[in-house]
Amino acid sequence: AQTVTQSQPEMSVQEAETVTLSCTYDTSESDYYLFWYKQPPSRQMILVIRQEAYKQQNATENRFSVNFQKAAKSFSLKISDSQLGDAAMYFCAYRSSGTSYGKLTFGQGTILTVHP
Amino acid sequence: EPEVTQTPSHQVTQMGQEVILRCVPISNHLYFYWYRQILGQKVEFLVSFYNNEISEKSEIFDDQFSVERPDGSNFTLKIRSTKLEDSAMYFCASYTPWDSSRGYTFGSGTRLTVV
Repeated sequence: AQTVTQSQPEMSVQEAETVTLSCTYDTSESDYYLFWYKQPPSRQMILVIRQEAYKQQNATENRFSVNFQKAAKSFSLKISDSQLGDAAMYFCAYRSSGTSYGKLTFGQGTILTVHP
Repeated sequence: EPEVTQTPSHQVTQMGQEVILRCVPISNHLYFYWYRQILGQKVEFLVSFYNNEISEKSEIFDDQFSVERPDGSNFTLKIRSTKLEDSAMYFCASYTPWDSSRGYTFGSGTRLTVV
């Protein structure tokens, strides 16, 4: 079974600075998808960014980018120019590509605090 | 932008009672899921549903749980006899492979409190 580990229970960053959240995963599969979800205090799960394992290029979405290291099974999220609205719980998630309806396996989450 | 809608937002129930949590997935999505998040813990998969049947379920999804899509739009999770440990946030999600760039779309969740 796949596992996802987020080793940083909490992180903090100053507004306008850059922060990196770590995620590692364990799988024997060669093709899969990785996601970062944001959960603000409202508890809604919001997709931040996704990465297909077969793509070598790291995904980017505006201020959010990932560092995907397939051999190391590492998938970190970098938030540039941090804003107060980025404060939330961030979850890393894995999905096998073996089936179209594959479940997401989540990490434990990292609470991000943004200081003004 | 299309949304997944969950009702109610908060449900309080007595231990042993049955609860039904409701979800309206995005209309052209084909795959539906329930996840739960016990307060302060990670999000856990419960069940996936496709073509009117369960495609996968976790160990958590025991005989106390059931899902159905009664009318082609709603997707419900029923807990037959609630226990204190069922208190959690329950999220519905939907997905279509033809718009996979959006990933899974989650609802806002139902906070279930069992007393």
